[in-house]
Amino acid sequence: DSGVTQTPKHLITATGQRVTLRCSPRSGDLSVYWYQQSLDQGLQFLIQYYNGEERAKGNILERFSAQQFPDLHSELNLSSLELGDSALYFCASSGTGASPLHFGNGTRLTVT
Amino acid sequence: AQTVTQSQPEMSVQEAETVTLSCTYDTSESDYYLFWYKQPPSRQMILVIRQEAYKQQNATENRFSVNFQKAAKSFSLKISDSQLGDAAMYFCAYRSARRREDSNYQLIWGAGTKLIIKP
Repeated sequence: DSGVTQTPKHLITATGQRVTLRCSPRSGDLSVYWYQQSLDQGLQFLIQYYNGEERAKGNILERFSAQQFPDLHSELNLSSLELGDSALYFCASSGTGASPLHFGNGTRLTVT
Repeated sequence: AQTVTQSQPEMSVQEAETVTLSCTYDTSESDYYLFWYKQPPSRQMILVIRQEAYKQQNATENRFSVNFQKAAKSFSLKISDSQLGDAAMYFCAYRSARRREDSNYQLIWGAGTKLIIKP
C-alpha cells in the first residue's frame, strides 16, 4: 500500500461530460502529481501542485484543470470529454529531495 | 534538459534466470536520484529501487540490484532468479537533487521496457 488514495477506481461516462478525480496524498507529502497513461503508453505528466500551489505544468489540455486544497488532497477535473481522453489517470505524491513518487492505484476513465 | 532513454522496448527471460534492463540518461547535474518503477498487468506503479548519485555503492533490494555507472550515465536494473510475478513494464526515472525555488521535484521518465518471463 503506497498510502496514496485515488477515487473512484473506475469511471464510465459519455463524450461531452465532465468528471472529477480525487487524490489523497501520503501523510506528510506536500507535492501531488497527476499523470495520464493511455493504453500501452508511458506516463504523460499533466500537472504538479506543492502545498496548494501549482508548481509545474506538462501536457495538460485546456479542458483539464486541477487544484490542491488546504488539507492537501487534490482533484483533477476533466471536461468536454472526448473518446481520446479514455486512459488511466494516476496521482502520485512525494516529499522533497530523495523522496520518490508514491503512486495511487489510478482511476480508469472510459469515455463512450 | 535531462532525458532518460530505455533502448529495449521488450525483453524476455526464462524463469529463474537473470536479466538486465538498460537505462541511460543525460544530465549536466552532478547530484540527482535515479529510480526504477515496475508496472505489472494490474497497472499499479510500484517503486522497485532507487539510487542516490552521490553514493558509489550500487543499491540492492532482494533480487533487484542496479549497476550505476555515473561517468557513463548508465543505470541498469538486474533481476536475479526471475519469477513469473516479475513480468511487467519497467520504467527508469531521473530526479534532480538540486534545491529548487519552485519546489518542482517531478521525475523525468524513460519510455519503459516490457519484461516477459518464460515459464
